[in-house]
Amino acid sequence: AQSVTQPDIHITVSEGASLELRCNYSYGATPYLFWYVQSPGQGLQLLLKYFSGDTLVQGIKGFEAEFKRSQSSFNLRKPSVHWSDAAEYFCAVTSGTYKYIFGTGTRLKVLA
Amino acid sequence: NAGVTQTPKFRILKIGQSMTLQCTQDMNHNYMYWYRQDPGMGLKLIYYSVGAGITDKGEVPNGYNVSRSTTEDFPLRLELAAPSQTSVYFCASSYSQDRNNEQFFGPGTRLTVL
Repeated sequence: AQSVTQPDIHITVSEGASLELRCNYSYGATPYLFWYVQSPGQGLQLLLKYFSGDTLVQGIKGFEAEFKRSQSSFNLRKPSVHWSDAAEYFCAVTSGTYKYIFGTGTRLKVLA
Repeated sequence: NAGVTQTPKFRILKIGQSMTLQCTQDMNHNYMYWYRQDPGMGLKLIYYSVGAGITDKGEVPNGYNVSRSTTEDFPLRLELAAPSQTSVYFCASSYSQDRNNEQFFGPGTRLTVL
């Protein structure tokens, strides 16, 4: 069955520390992968997406993600976290149709 | 552009009541979607539309209805509200369904059914 797994429900990091949020997918077709961020009380905003080509993609707000086909992973990273990054992060996959499959989300807390 | 707008932001319903969640986009997008977000469950697709007059069911359509009379509007109707419909509802839109088009989300409607 198609699925997206975000193993970490909550992550806490100190401001200025590095961050990695994990995303693993199970998808029969060629996946198209996304990371969205949801700030409190807001809708989802696209951080970055991967369709093909370079497996390291850059996004907004200093985020990047690396697609590793052999590990079925698309982990999100940021070298230095800011307090404003506190939010919930969702990984999503699609084969290119309307059907996006979202992970259950990782809630990030940033300590001052 | 305002993007995707949703009204109301919050609503409390009694069991058995009905209501319509409004969604409007001003980006001339063909595709529109309704999701519900439950804690720890991610987003689940309720209904989607590929253009005016065309709608189809997503993963969790039971208890909901939609219509799409214009490109801009995609209202979601709850006919007989049940506690299981307590959730946060997001409307989204995209220019098309192919891989090069991200979905743009509204700010959500938080619905409580008591």
